[in-house]
Amino acid sequence: DAMVIQNPRYQVTQFGKPVTLSCSQTLNHNVMYWYQQKSSQAPKLLFHYYDKDFNNEADTPDNFQSRRPNTSFCFLDIRSPGLGDAAMYLCATSRDWTGEEKLFFGSGTQLSVL
Amino acid sequence: GENVEQHPSTLSVQEGDSAVIKCTYSDSASNYFPWYKQELGKRPQLIIDIRSNVGEKKDQRIAVTLNKTAKHFSLHITETQPEDSAVYFCAASSNDYKLSFGAGTTVTVRA
Repeated sequence: DAMVIQNPRYQVTQFGKPVTLSCSQTLNHNVMYWYQQKSSQAPKLLFHYYDKDFNNEADTPDNFQSRRPNTSFCFLDIRSPGLGDAAMYLCATSRDWTGEEKLFFGSGTQLSVL
Repeated sequence: GENVEQHPSTLSVQEGDSAVIKCTYSDSASNYFPWYKQELGKRPQLIIDIRSNVGEKKDQRIAVTLNKTAKHFSLHITETQPEDSAVYFCAASSNDYKLSFGAGTTVTVRA
């Protein structure tokens, strides 16, 4: 009964080859987030969607894009992965956008760039 | 933006002893402070949170304290058990509603 599902669990891509990570939710939450987490570091927010409204963090590289075609699904596209993009990518959801919402995380996708 | 610092980065405790993790934050407007636990290979999960109008909150063996004047908050785990071994992240949310996470503390409970 997983509520936030990320696929794949592990993804290997080549330097410069576009890659897409996917996330789905069964919670019907309004907000979906993508975080990047590198080893021994804090999860870093890349962007979030409030419903269909896209919100990009100021320091998120242009190389990263996102799509949310409907409430349940959200995708992270990395157009030209570099070695520095190797990381764990965590998708999360929250019911609303109030600053006091519980985040529900997926299990993450570990991205390797060769 | 908010900056959250978390200490220590690693913590090893004997089973049955207490564990304390401390976090400081920079934005005095921050008003929500959750703690997430991430077991090896699993997703982060919320274990406890505290709001700025409360100084302490307990849930069984875990408790969180908040000192708004000093801008720090702490997680206390009493009577630690092997299943408490995990990475713990503190976070703070400010007026922009975004959560800023600390870098995490790896807790190992020795049998």
